[in-house]
Amino acid sequence: DTAVSQTPKYLVTQMGNDKSIKCEQNLGHDTMYWYKQDSKKFLKIMFSYNNKELIINETVPNRFSPKSPDKAHLNLHINSLELGDSAVYFCASSPYRGTGNTGELFFGEGSRLTVL
Amino acid sequence: SQQGEEDPQALSIQEGENATMNCSYKTSINNLQWYRQNSGRGLVHLILIRSNEREKHSGRLRVTLDTSKKSSSLLITASRAADTASYFCATGVDRGSTLGRLYFGRGTQLTVWP
Repeated sequence: DTAVSQTPKYLVTQMGNDKSIKCEQNLGHDTMYWYKQDSKKFLKIMFSYNNKELIINETVPNRFSPKSPDKAHLNLHINSLELGDSAVYFCASSPYRGTGNTGELFFGEGSRLTVL
Repeated sequence: SQQGEEDPQALSIQEGENATMNCSYKTSINNLQWYRQNSGRGLVHLILIRSNEREKHSGRLRVTLDTSKKSSSLLITASRAADTASYFCATGVDRGSTLGRLYFGRGTQLTVWP
C-alpha cells in the first residue's frame, strides 16, 4: 500500500490554464504539506495543514490554493498557470501535532508540472 | 536564510569507498534530518538527530552534529551503486513563526561507480 500518493504524476498544460494536484495519505498522520522543488532541486515549503487547519502559508502567489477536505487529503489548485510554475510538487505527511519537534516527513512521488 | 546548505554539490566515488557529505545551517535548531532522493522519485527519510545528540548511526550511515559550528555530516560507509542519489539535509526550527517547518538545502548529488 502506498503511504502518500499523489496524482497526477505528470501534468503538461498551457499558460493561463487551471489545474489541480491531489494527495492522499493512509498513515493516519495529522499534518500534511506541499513542497515545490525547482529545476535546481531546491525544495521549498508552500503550505501545511494540521488536522484540516492551515498552519503554514509561505509567501506563495494567491493563484495557489490548498484544500484539505479531511486530514487524510490535501489538494493543491493552481489558477492562471505561469511558466515559472513549472516544477515538481511534492506532498508529504508527518505525525507532527502542532507542538514540539517537527518529525520525519513521508513524501509522495511528486507531480511534475510543465507549463508551456 | 534558514535552510541547510550541503557541501559538496556533487560527489563521485567508486563502490566500496566512503562518502561524506556536509551540511551547514544558520539558526538554532531542534533537530536535523537527512533524506535521500533517487532520480525522479520522492524523498525518503534516512535519519534524524536531535540538537542534544552528537552522533547517530543507522546501518552504514553515520551522522554527526556540531551545534557550536552549526554543521552536520553524513557518512555512508562501503558505498554501493544503489546509493547513487541526491542527499538533502533538513533543519527543524520549532519556535514562533517557524513552528512545524522543515527547511531543506539543495542537496548533494552522489554518484557511486561500480
